[in-house]
Amino acid sequence: NAGVTQTPKFRILKIGQSMTLQCTQDMNHNYMYWYRQDPGMGLKLIYYSVGAGITDKGEVPNGYNVSRSTTEDFPLRLELAAPSQTSVYFCASSYPLDPRISSTDTQYFGPGTRLTVL
Amino acid sequence: AQSVAQPEDQVNVAEGNPLTVKCTYSVSGNPYLFWYVQYPNRGLQFLLKYITGDNLVKGSYGFEAEFNKSQTSFHLKKPSALVSDSALYFCAVSAPRMEYGNKLVFGAGTILRVKS
Repeated sequence: NAGVTQTPKFRILKIGQSMTLQCTQDMNHNYMYWYRQDPGMGLKLIYYSVGAGITDKGEVPNGYNVSRSTTEDFPLRLELAAPSQTSVYFCASSYPLDPRISSTDTQYFGPGTRLTVL
Repeated sequence: AQSVAQPEDQVNVAEGNPLTVKCTYSVSGNPYLFWYVQYPNRGLQFLLKYITGDNLVKGSYGFEAEFNKSQTSFHLKKPSALVSDSALYFCAVSAPRMEYGNKLVFGAGTILRVKS
């Protein structure tokens, strides 16, 4: 198993450009997440998905969009890049052993994408 | 609102000495507590979690953590530190009926430096 993979590893964007961060998992996990990590701030949840065709906003969704057409893939789209979106982005997935208490599940993280917006 | 505090930005310890990385939390209801480790230029790796039962939880690489409900703490410990333990450590909390699905709320992280 490759686990959770993310591409690209690094990217520099100009203000106003758009891009898609790719995330794929091969563990057949229903739940997938996008986080951003800023220095000294921990990780903040951007969007999450509980299954194909179902997505919802997290704590910091503004400026981002997601889609979930398959179980394996959960791309994150930046439409109009801004310097405030400079960050490290992590994708994660989990398998709800019991959806009623899915908050107990372990999340598995990808290696991250370092994005700089200039 | 749920929150996690890691009061130390950095912890320094000599190799072979015991280490403690502190974490306190605030959540409504019963907490589920996690520790993750991040090595340079890598994603987060799961270390251990407390869901219910024994307050002392053992995890990967010889780490353990103790859940203390009265002090709302979940400190990470290891009896004998290794240089290879040097990394960034995150404490996280979730709970039943959290906002945003089974959202994990992360602390800001603590850098652990183990010197030989």
